[in-house]
Amino acid sequence: GIQVEQSPPDLILQEGANSTLRCNFSDSVNNLQWFHQNPWGQLINLFYIPSGTKQNGRLSATTVATERYSLLYISSSQTTDSGVYFCAVGLYSGGGADGLTFGKGTHLIIQP
Amino acid sequence: ETGVTQSPTHLIKTRGQQVTLRCSSQSGHNTVSWYQQALGQGPQFIFQYYREEENGRGNFPPRFSGLQFPNYSSELNVNALELDDSALYLCASSSTGRGATNEKLFFGSGTQLSVL
Repeated sequence: GIQVEQSPPDLILQEGANSTLRCNFSDSVNNLQWFHQNPWGQLINLFYIPSGTKQNGRLSATTVATERYSLLYISSSQTTDSGVYFCAVGLYSGGGADGLTFGKGTHLIIQP
Repeated sequence: ETGVTQSPTHLIKTRGQQVTLRCSSQSGHNTVSWYQQALGQGPQFIFQYYREEENGRGNFPPRFSGLQFPNYSSELNVNALELDDSALYLCASSSTGRGATNEKLFFGSGTQLSVL
């Protein structure tokens, strides 16, 4: 199956700092999503981005499918950005669903 | 537009028992998938339901089973509970209806299951 590696595993920053989270994957995909899991366990969908670049407020993401990686940028961090960020990928080939394969996540702590 | 809701939020069972977890999909979504998240790990795909039939399954034994109802809500059933089944169980819904993997997923808050 597809392997997903996220880096760094842990990141501690001061409020206002910028950060870049990386996701590498081992095979071709046609589905890539970034999620933020808050301390209560809720997974919030940040981006659906199998290729290209998207921006949503202070967050942006870029996926270079040919090189099998994606980056999530967080600018001007706030304490509410703390939590675990997951990259998840999938390949739909027209048959049954195989689900998304998640990485182990990046644990981000934003200190005031 | 209502989001994905799951019940119960927490559950404690003993080894060997059976458990049923419930999920109501987001309004307008007709595909539901279930994931298991062990402590400190990313979620793992259990199975997906589309049009009341299982149309994809991850590497989980048959004692993990499910149902999807005409209103697109879903249940996850786990028989003969084992200690390793202790985890956060997440339900996700999506909208295109073809049961494909190339769809944006919306997750519920999960059910935390503890097996003693």
